[in-house]
Amino acid sequence: DTAVSQTPKYLVTQMGNDKSIKCEQNLGHDTMYWYKQDSKKFLKIMFSYNNKELIINETVPNRFSPKSPDKAHLNLHINSLELGDSAVYFCASSQQTGHEYFGPGTRLTVL
Amino acid sequence: AQSVTQPDIHITVSEGASLELRCNYSYGATPYLFWYVQSPGQGLQLLLKYFSGDTLVQGIKGFEAEFKRSQSSFNLRKPSVHWSDAAEYFCAVGVGNTGKLIFGQGTTLQVKP
Repeated sequence: DTAVSQTPKYLVTQMGNDKSIKCEQNLGHDTMYWYKQDSKKFLKIMFSYNNKELIINETVPNRFSPKSPDKAHLNLHINSLELGDSAVYFCASSQQTGHEYFGPGTRLTVL
Repeated sequence: AQSVTQPDIHITVSEGASLELRCNYSYGATPYLFWYVQSPGQGLQLLLKYFSGDTLVQGIKGFEAEFKRSQSSFNLRKPSVHWSDAAEYFCAVGVGNTGKLIFGQGTTLQVKP
């Protein structure tokens, strides 16, 4: 039973396209996150939501828009994809600070 | 500003040898500290965490870490490494109660047979 799941696992697309990544957690956690891991494996938080409310919004281009339809889901929509958006995107959830459960990641490649 | 430094980008140890991965942090208040492990092609898994109290914390898979406030360090140790420990290890500091984690650059652990 997967705790935090993401779809798709791989995403290959052309520059300028719009794409979405979906995330679902079945742990009953109140808080969900999106992290970006670049080619050097550096991990940086992008957004976090608590009970569908945005609480962390790091310095991320506004081409990135998170949406939380309910507290078990946090989707990431990216408009006008650029080469520099290529990365692995991780969704995570937590009920307490720091004990985050990560999804398997979505590897996005922009050509 | 908060930051985490992992001085060793890559470490190679022989199977059965002891391991220490270094982590230094910069944070104004008492930090929440974490170690995560990432196996190839996988998400991150929490190994252990320090919030307060005993400065030596035990984690899963036989790992432990020691918080040293005077040195701003939170080094990860394991007395005997197994081949399955080969992975990427990330140290992180939690920012207040926001849930936000600031990660170090990661240390790649290679285990020689």
